[in-house]
This record gives sequence, C-alpha cells and structure tokens, in this order.
Amino acid sequence: KAGVTQTPRYLIKTRGQQVTLSCSPISGHRSVSWYQQTPGQGLQFLFEYFSETQRNKGNFPGRFSGRQFSNSRSEMNVSTLELGDSALYLCASSLSGPNTEAFFGQGTRLTVV
Amino acid sequence: EDQVTQSPEALRLQEGESSSLNCSYTVSGLRGLFWYRQDPGKGPEFLFTLYSAGEEKEKERLKATLTKKESFLHITAPKPEDSATYLCAVSGSYNFNKFYFGSGTKLNVKP
Repeated sequence: KAGVTQTPRYLIKTRGQQVTLSCSPISGHRSVSWYQQTPGQGLQFLFEYFSETQRNKGNFPGRFSGRQFSNSRSEMNVSTLELGDSALYLCASSLSGPNTEAFFGQGTRLTVV
Repeated sequence: EDQVTQSPEALRLQEGESSSLNCSYTVSGLRGLFWYRQDPGKGPEFLFTLYSAGEEKEKERLKATLTKKESFLHITAPKPEDSATYLCAVSGSYNFNKFYFGSGTKLNVKP
C-alpha cells in the first residue's frame, strides 16, 4: 500500500515569507502528526490532528499552524519565517493516534535564507 | 514532563560485533515505547512497539526489550547496512497523542 506522501520535498524561502507543507497519510489512517527535526533539537512534536480536529500541540509559537481535511490530508503552515525554522519537517500517520504505530513520510526539507 | 534519553550518542562497531543501544524514559503511565530507524535525509522507519515491562520483540538482527525504566535495542552480528540512527520514542497516558523522542544513537557498522 502507498506510504505517507509529503510535498514538496525541498523548499527554499526567504525570511518573513510564509510556507505551506502538505501531507497525505496512508489510506485509512485518520491521525496525522507533524514534527520538526533539527540537528540540535532532534525530533520535536508540533501537533496532531484526528478527524479534522487538533488533539494536541507542542511547544511552538503561533506562527506554526495546521489543519486537516475530511479526507485526512493535512497541511502545515509557517508564517513570518525565521532562519531558525530551517529544518526537516516530518509528517506521520497512524490509525488512531501516535500511541499506535506511526509511519513517517520522507519529510520536507525547508531552508530559510 | 515525559522524557527520553538515549545512549550512547554514537556507536562504531565492526561487522559481526554485537552490542546494545539504551533508551531510558520517564513517563506518566506508559502507553507505548517505539523504536525507529532513520537513514540520512529520510523519515524514520518503524521497527517495534513495546507496551509493557518484560515484553520483547525481534526482527532479523534486532531485538527490543522493555523494563519499567528503560528499553534496549540489541543488535546481533550487525552488517554495514544496519548503519543508521536509531530513535526511541514514548507516549504516556497524559499526552497519549504525541510522542516524546530521544535524540537517537548513530550506529556505524564497518565491514
């Protein structure tokens, strides 16, 4: 079966711009979680959506937001980009939540210049 | 707050030299402990889920075990293709909809 698909794979943006990343989960999975991965901080939880509702949120500023659509696809938006937002953004899908097996996409590599 | 600590940060092994990676955790009401493998530039690949102390799971050269405070990932007779970063994550009863990840162990297996 098809895995988790994230688009685009690579992005270069300028400070102050905004960006939207997309994640298509595995068919039948209703939970989508987003993570930021950097060499210094490792994998950090951003938020989790289930059936279009945000169930949990990590410790990130309000510039980071997300949403989930009725087909379980999810988008993540970062506004007013800062250099420190450069990272690999990973999306994971699971049947009912991250406490069950979660499968990750390849990630979107965001570079802010 | 829930916390995960992995050791060592990096491990270099010769092909065939068995070893273990450690994941110590502090969590309120463990819901699950998860092991992932991550290759450079890729997303983590799911390996195992452990739910209760005493549980063990195996896959090829890998075996994961769980106690009340830590988990071990044992690698038996590793091959160069086992080189990757191994990540441990937990979910707890109070924050069961998110993972807490450790910083990972970077394993390098030399032929």
